[in-house]
Amino acid sequence: AQTVTQSQPEMSVQEAETVTLSCTYDTSESDYYLFWYKQPPSRQMILVIRQEAYKQQNATENRFSVNFQKAAKSFSLKISDSQLGDAAMYFCAYGLYQGGSEKLVFGKGTKLTVNP
Amino acid sequence: EAGVVQSPRYKIIEKKQPVAFWCNPISGHNTLYWYRQNLGQGPELLIRYENEEAVDDSQLPKDRFSAERLKGVDSTLKIQPAELGDSAVYLCASSLEGLEQFFGPGTRLTVL
Repeated sequence: AQTVTQSQPEMSVQEAETVTLSCTYDTSESDYYLFWYKQPPSRQMILVIRQEAYKQQNATENRFSVNFQKAAKSFSLKISDSQLGDAAMYFCAYGLYQGGSEKLVFGKGTKLTVNP
Repeated sequence: EAGVVQSPRYKIIEKKQPVAFWCNPISGHNTLYWYRQNLGQGPELLIRYENEEAVDDSQLPKDRFSAERLKGVDSTLKIQPAELGDSAVYLCASSLEGLEQFFGPGTRLTVL
């Protein structure tokens, strides 16, 4: 079974600084997807960034980028120029297509605090 | 475009009582997911529908949980009877042909 591990229950960063959230996963599959989701307090979960395992190039979305190390099964999220609105729970997720739709396995999350 | 709609947002019940949650996915999304998120944890999949067919319900506790998605649009998740350990946030998500999953705001269930 696939598992996702986020070893940092909490992280903090100063506004405008850079922070990296860690994620490792375990799978025997070769074709899969990895995601970072953001869940602000009392608000719904939204997708931050997505990475296809077959792509060597790391995904980037504005201030958010990933470091995907397939051999090491590592998928970290870097947030540059942190903003107060980035404060949230961040969940790493592993996705596998099964039967035409995507099955996600989530980690336990990292709570990010942004200090002004 | 409206997002995933869930109701109620909050529910407090006594143990052994029944409870139901409703989800309306984004229009046109054929895949619908129900997740349970315990406090301090990530979401865990309960059931996944493609149109009206449940394609993965392996994590659904079938002795007390049931779900339906009539006509392949909105869906209802039911618990009967509820137990103290069922207290959690129940999330609904939808996607179009297995691409990005869009989540609803969730229903926070408290069982007393």
